[in-house]
Amino acid sequence: GNSVTQMEGPVTLSEEAFLTINCTYTATGYPSLFWYVQYPGEGLQLLLKATKADDKGSNKGFEATYRKETTSFHLEKGSVQVSDSAVYFCALSDHEPSYGKLTFGQGTILTVHP
Amino acid sequence: NAGVTQTPKFRILKIGQSMTLQCTQDMNHNYMYWYRQDPGMGLKLIYYSVGAGITDKGEVPNGYNVSRSTTEDFPLRLELAAPSQTSVYFCASSYSIGNWPYEQYFGPGTRLTVT
Repeated sequence: GNSVTQMEGPVTLSEEAFLTINCTYTATGYPSLFWYVQYPGEGLQLLLKATKADDKGSNKGFEATYRKETTSFHLEKGSVQVSDSAVYFCALSDHEPSYGKLTFGQGTILTVHP
Repeated sequence: NAGVTQTPKFRILKIGQSMTLQCTQDMNHNYMYWYRQDPGMGLKLIYYSVGAGITDKGEVPNGYNVSRSTTEDFPLRLELAAPSQTSVYFCASSYSIGNWPYEQYFGPGTRLTVT
């Protein structure tokens, strides 16, 4: 079956530091990959996505590249802000006939200090 | 657009009680999903629906039931609540073209405690 593994957390950084959150996956098919973000007290929001190998998803300064050879989709940001403090989830969705069902990693808590 | 709304926000149940978690979306999405999020864990799929009248089990369906009589509503029913069902429940929806689904939109969640 499908699975997603994220780096152990939580992650604590100072403002303007470089962020990497590792994500690797196992899938029977050829999945689409996603990063979702959950701010305190809220539901999840899509941060970025990639649907095929070597695609780079980007949004709000965050980037992730779909690496089929290493089955990875690591999230990076060059300079984090306090407002980036949240829980980040890596997820995958198989292509047909998955009906968009998502398999999530366990989440990584990011805290950014001023 | 309100997006995906869920009620209630919080609920405490006694063991053996039943309740329905409500979920409504106003985006005319055909796909809807229920997930649960346990502390320190990712979300796990309980049930999903690809359209009115069509539902199917996800990864952790035991102890739950769903129905989808309209495009907008996708209630989740808990029968005989157990402490293991203490969790945060998220409803989500997405649209599709053919069988290709797009971004899932999540509701704010319902925090349920069973004691």
